[in-house]
Amino acid sequence: SYVLTQPPSVSVAPGKTASITCGGNNIGGQNVHWYQQRPGQAPVLVLYYDTDRPSGTPERFSGSNSGSTATLTINRVEAGDEADYFCQVWDSNSDHPGVFGGGTKLTVL
Amino acid sequence: EVQLVESGGGLVKPGGSLRLSCAASGFPFGGYNMAWVRQAPGKGLEWISYIDTTSRYIYYADSVKGRFTISRDNAKTSLYLHMNSLRAEDTAFYYCVKESRQLEYFDSWGQGSLVTVSS
Repeated sequence: SYVLTQPPSVSVAPGKTASITCGGNNIGGQNVHWYQQRPGQAPVLVLYYDTDRPSGTPERFSGSNSGSTATLTINRVEAGDEADYFCQVWDSNSDHPGVFGGGTKLTVL
Repeated sequence: EVQLVESGGGLVKPGGSLRLSCAASGFPFGGYNMAWVRQAPGKGLEWISYIDTTSRYIYYADSVKGRFTISRDNAKTSLYLHMNSLRAEDTAFYYCVKESRQLEYFDSWGQGSLVTVSS
């Protein structure tokens, strides 16, 4: 089954740029979606189809996807961005198609 | 406003059974695919099951296949997860999630229902 690999943690100072990666075999050929989960809350969609933002996601959030790595980039990081971030793909060739990455804890220093 | 409200969680002994329900509102439930995603305390998200609008296409993660059954009642705008032969490793928050109209991703999540499997 398809495997997505994320770094367990990323730290960034306020106002700087955070990059959270999601690795997978030829992930560039997949659509990648990203979720934010603040402590004690349910996950919330922040990016879909690699780069699209749902209403409510700040423009500071952007994404890219190519080769074996997809990346969620957060510009001008704020304290409120501190959360766990999960990438997800839908592996339509599998009979268990939903796949999540292990998650990355973003710490704002 | 989309609302997904899970219920039915609780403490159950290993080998026991439980049924989770998800009451959906704020959108035409029968027109959307649905799924269950779980999260063990302090761990990551795990997709466990999916059902399409007509219940024709159903998928399960290997970790629950043969033990869990997903179903839906479009007339009652409700999603269900029947869980049998529960194990300690099934202890988790269970989230009811709505797939987007564009497919492949989940644009709405419930608040979760905690299932604890312990003797």
